Amino acid sequence: QSALSQPASVSGTPGQSITISCTGSRSDIGSYKLVSWYQKYPGKAPKLIIYEGSERPSGVSYRFSGSKSGNTASLTISGLQAEDEADYFCCSYAGSSTYVFGTGTQVTVL
Amino acid sequence: QLQLQESGPGLVKPSETLSLTCSVSGVSITRSNYYWGWIRQPPGKGLEWIGNIHYDGITYYSPSLKSRVLFSVDTSNNQVSLRLSSVTAADTAVYYCAGFGNYDAFDVWGQGTVVTVSS
Repeated sequence: QSALSQPASVSGTPGQSITISCTGSRSDIGSYKLVSWYQKYPGKAPKLIIYEGSERPSGVSYRFSGSKSGNTASLTISGLQAEDEADYFCCSYAGSSTYVFGTGTQVTVL
Repeated sequence: QLQLQESGPGLVKPSETLSLTCSVSGVSITRSNYYWGWIRQPPGKGLEWIGNIHYDGITYYSPSLKSRVLFSVDTSNNQVSLRLSSVTAADTAVYYCAGFGNYDAFDVWGQGTVVTVSS
């Protein structure tokens, strides 16, 4: 069970849209819809922002959207804002009631 | 409002057993549909899923940690616990307790507790 692969960093200017990829395999992302995304500020607990690949919990901004294609899931942040500067982690169901997280992506707002 | 709080020693010696407790408030763990998960983040690294436990004792562990980890539930105190044996420096991390329920995802998290493995 290997960690899902994410780019170490992604950056954008305010108002832009950015996309973070999360690459797994047929053993996890490729076989299940249970992909979630978490936003994490330094020293703070992670916050769920996307579940089941593309659904947003109540209270999460519409600017966050998720999708999946094959073995890769993606998180798009539209209308990038300074407050979006954080680390983002994906997570996928990996079968047999196990889960695997991604390596994490640091988002910088230029 | 569902809240989680981790507690335990901040320093553990190599080869010893790390023990942490997650106190759940706002809901009885026996009356919720939640699983309770443990996740950790080593310094400068990503999140790592350790496992999940249900109040009835059903447990699921990460294959990479399965031989060293043990979860338990204390329903009278509304707590879940983690024990990780034979620790090394690689087990140094922030350990989080999280609730896995309403969204088939970890939708509630504790603040995390720092554990350092060092002699």
